[in-house]
Amino acid sequence: QSALTQPPSASGSPGQSVTISCTGTSSDVGGYNYVSWYQQHPGKAPKLMIYEVTKRPSGVPDRFSGSKSGNTASLTVSGLQAEDEADYYCSSYAGSNNLGVFGTGTQVTVL
Amino acid sequence: QVQLQESGPGLVKPSETLSLTCTVSGGSISSNYWSWIRQPAGKGLEWIGRIYGSGNTNYNPSLKSRVTMSIDTSKNQFSLKLNSVTAADTAVYYCARVLRWAIDYWGQGTLVTVSS
Repeated sequence: QSALTQPPSASGSPGQSVTISCTGTSSDVGGYNYVSWYQQHPGKAPKLMIYEVTKRPSGVPDRFSGSKSGNTASLTVSGLQAEDEADYYCSSYAGSNNLGVFGTGTQVTVL
Repeated sequence: QVQLQESGPGLVKPSETLSLTCTVSGGSISSNYWSWIRQPAGKGLEWIGRIYGSGNTNYNPSLKSRVTMSIDTSKNQFSLKLNSVTAADTAVYYCARVLRWAIDYWGQGTLVTVSS
């Protein structure tokens, strides 16, 4: 059960967009529509931002959007704001062990 | 509003057993899935396991031989035991609720250090 692959870092200026990829296999990301994205600020617990690939929980700004193509899922943050600077993790159901698997994490910097 | 709170020793000796409890309030523990997730300092998240209210469990294969999760619906608590710990098990441990494979509620996390 290997971790999903994310770029270590991403950045953008305020108001710009940033997209983070999350690459897995047909046994996890590509096989199920159970991809989630989490935002984590330093010293805090992660916060759910996207679930089931594209859905936003109540209270999450519509600047955050998710998508998937094949074995790669993506999170796009549009109209970057200073408070979006955080670590982001993807997660997917991995059917072989009936458990989830996380991505390696991406640190987003707002320039 | 579901709230989760981890409790347990913050320091465990090598080769001993790490034991944590998560107390759930504001939601039904018996009809949901619950998980333990850990995060070593400066590193990523690792899913340890999942338990349903009935007691059915699924564990991370890399930890399966050392992990036991249990649930006490009368106390609205679920627990984690990790035996034969080493320094590599030092991490912040989170308890969480899992809904359709998304973790929608997290505890605040508790740091467990493995050291003699």
